[in-house]
Parts: sequence; C-alpha cells; structure tokens
Amino acid sequence: QSVLTQPPSVSGAPGQRVTISCTGSSSNIGAGYDVHWYQQLPGTAPKLLIYGNSNRPSGVPDRFSGSKSGTSASLAISGLQAEDEADYYCQSYDSSLSVYVVFGGGTKLTVL
Amino acid sequence: EVQLVESGGGLVKPGGSLRLSCAASGFTFSSYSMNWVRQAPGKGLEWVSSISSSSSYIYYADSVKGRFTISRDNAKNSLYLQMNSLRAEDTAVYYCASTGRSVGASWFDPWGQGTLVTVSS
Repeated sequence: QSVLTQPPSVSGAPGQRVTISCTGSSSNIGAGYDVHWYQQLPGTAPKLLIYGNSNRPSGVPDRFSGSKSGTSASLAISGLQAEDEADYYCQSYDSSLSVYVVFGGGTKLTVL
Repeated sequence: EVQLVESGGGLVKPGGSLRLSCAASGFTFSSYSMNWVRQAPGKGLEWVSSISSSSSYIYYADSVKGRFTISRDNAKNSLYLQMNSLRAEDTAVYYCASTGRSVGASWFDPWGQGTLVTVSS
C-alpha cells in the first residue's frame, strides 16, 4: 500500500471535468508538505504536471489545476481531451522515520 | 536543453550486482539534489533514494536500505546507483530525476527516460 492514497481509476467523456484525489496523513500532506502531480503517458517517463500544490510548469495547459486542503490534495482536469488519457501520480514528503519521499499509487484516467 | 540519460540496466541473477548511471546536461548539476525512482512492471512509482547537491545528505527507502548506494560525481555531472544483493522484486524501470531547480523545491523535474533492471535466474 502506498502512503498516499489515490483512486485506481477515473473516467470521463471528452469535454468533461474529472478530479483525482490524493489522501495522506498528518506526517505528510497534513504536516504542511507540498503536493506535486505527475502525468505518465503510456510507455514514457513521468512528467511534472503540477508543483507546489497548485502551480503549473511552463507548457502545461490551464485545463490542469491542483489544490490542497488538510491531509488531502486534488488534481482537476477540465475540458477532457483524448490525449489526457494517462496515469497520474501525486507526490509529497513524509516526516516519519521510515520514509522520505512518498508517491500515491497512481490513477489511470480513461477518456471515454 | 535539460536532459538526464540513464544507463547500466540489464539482466542480472538474484544476489548479483549492477551499477546504474545517470548523465546530466543542460543545467548546473552540482547545485541540485538528485533522486532515483523505480517502477515495477505494471505498477506505480516507488521512490528509491535521494542525495543532496554536495552528497552531505543521503536517504533510502526501507526496501533498499543496506543493499543500494547512491552517489554522485559533480565533476562528471553524473549520478549513480550501486545495487547489490539484488532480488526479483527489484525488477523495475529505474528513473533518475532532478529535484526542481527552484529554492525550496521538493518536486522532481526533469526525469530521465529510464533503464530497465531485470533480476531473474
């Protein structure tokens, strides 16, 4: 089990809006650590999508947005497009003794 | 162009060793922490190890502690992962990734293309 919990899959039709949750605990997200999101297209390396909870790197469409509250974070994708079909991962840090960097288990987005 | 290129993956028997390398270019390698992240076939991302810019701080996941050693050579713009006592469960694509190039950054960007390590008899 991953330290950060994500739904295994989400789906939506083109043009719709979907959200992906990332639930942590008081030792990671709840401790104030930033949450970052990555997109992994099939057969490729992960790519930074959102950093610092809600910031988009240059080149990432504003259809992608992130937020954080308490021990959870969310990634929202509006105006779904076929090319958004990918795996999405959240990442943060953890202050417990046994871990340092933590990832969510990943969410497969299917565009119907 | 900022780029990370991994090498050194391959097929190794259980109990064997392998050394991965990651060559960096397009940025001041010596200024940033670096990381290894792996992904087993069909599975999610798993953080493996991180090293600070001057090698002063090193962290490992419990799953590899005592078996893997991360290191870097800033003069050669290179990151390494020495993997010993390999197990079948270490089979994965191994990615190197730079910690973000901003003050206080804790995200990983960019990532290399990955190198496949297969542990099998």
